[in-house]
Amino acid sequence: GAVVSQHPSRVICKSGTSVKIECRSLDFQATTMFWYRQFPKQSLMLMATSNEGSKATYEQGVEKDKFLINHASLTLSTLTVTSAHPEDSSFYICSARVGLTEAFFGQGTRLTVV
Amino acid sequence: TQLLEQSPQFLSIQEGENLTVYCNSSSVFSSLQWYRQEPGEGPVLLVTVVTGGEVKKLKRLTFQFGDARKDSSLHITAAQPGDTGLYLCAGGWGNKLVFGAGTILRVKS
Repeated sequence: GAVVSQHPSRVICKSGTSVKIECRSLDFQATTMFWYRQFPKQSLMLMATSNEGSKATYEQGVEKDKFLINHASLTLSTLTVTSAHPEDSSFYICSARVGLTEAFFGQGTRLTVV
Repeated sequence: TQLLEQSPQFLSIQEGENLTVYCNSSSVFSSLQWYRQEPGEGPVLLVTVVTGGEVKKLKRLTFQFGDARKDSSLHITAAQPGDTGLYLCAGGWGNKLVFGAGTILRVKS
């Protein structure tokens, strides 16, 4: 299957700082990438849809000013958690769809805000 | 309200037992996917079912898509401890992929 690489896999940051997470499609071009948040033992919650060359589409209840998404190229999307607080600590996962059906996921990023 | 209702939420069984996980919706999906996720990692695609009534097998795993393309099931035969994980069904909704709530499976040796 297609390979999606997410970096970093783990990050610890101080409250009030910003953290950037990168998501790259390694062997295909992804016009659309998705960002999810996952709490322990729960399913994935879609945060936003990232479109190359245009603004991201955020799901209801997701603060666009807190979670900045940039889809700079067909192979790279970034999620920046701005002014992070402990309640932002979570597992963040990106994915990219191939065609209209299957999606392939990055390895996830464990964010801990202290 | 979840678009995809997945059940059961938790399943703890002994090695060698069989189990079935269900994914149901009132909506028709053009395709459904099943993923398996281990702690601290991203979901890994197991299978995509596209045709109503379709059955796909992946070693001890059997996936079925309902005739009306509203539901799907995952059956595991002779479960092994290595099958332990979070199983997720997902379906395309517009340009998004929506997920069921997930089934946490624990297989004890």
